[in-house]
Amino acid sequence: AQSVTQLDSQVPVFEEAPVELRCNYSSSVSVYLFWYVQYPNQGLQLLLKYLSGSTLVESINGFEAEFNKSQTSFHLRKPSVHISDTAEYFCAVSERAGNMLTFGGGTRLMVKP
Amino acid sequence: KAGVTQTPRYLIKTRGQQVTLSCSPISGHRSVSWYQQTPGQGLQFLFEYFSETQRNKGNFPGRFSGRQFSNSRSEMNVSTLELGDSALYLCASSLGLGGYTEAFFGQGTRLTVV
Repeated sequence: AQSVTQLDSQVPVFEEAPVELRCNYSSSVSVYLFWYVQYPNQGLQLLLKYLSGSTLVESINGFEAEFNKSQTSFHLRKPSVHISDTAEYFCAVSERAGNMLTFGGGTRLMVKP
Repeated sequence: KAGVTQTPRYLIKTRGQQVTLSCSPISGHRSVSWYQQTPGQGLQFLFEYFSETQRNKGNFPGRFSGRQFSNSRSEMNVSTLELGDSALYLCASSLGLGGYTEAFFGQGTRLTVV
């Protein structure tokens, strides 16, 4: 069985400040790792993913996440946030054999002017 | 190309009734998964269908069921609705050919049970 823990339910931050959203996972098999973003009254959008290869993955809007196998973590970071980044962020894992996603509880990022 | 379409977007039902939600996947995608999102339990996997066969099932009571048609469109049904079934139901489609294939989510159906 897999599980995902997002350590912070809410993260308030001022605009242009750096942010880190933490994610730890537990699994007995190899997994793929994802970060999804959800804006109010919307579905989930894939932000970035780790499948294999380089442990540092980046998105087109400045977010990055680093896979740390020894610490079973996949923290999401952005060096400078914008008001438009205000949303809920979900970390998820999927076993390599299937499409089922196991999600963390979510972190609400609140960017203040 | 068109994204994942879920209908209806909003639904209000009474306790004890049943409800059917619909999901049209992206053209060419053969896998459809359903998730329930609530403030208390977060995002939970309901089931996954691939080529009309249920491939995985989450830990939900038998009141929750689904099916997939030959055109990959999927429906989920909840019978004997309870207040706790109020949630955002999300559908995701993917190619589903094995290994990793990206899941694309619809905007969801918000079900309110009164």
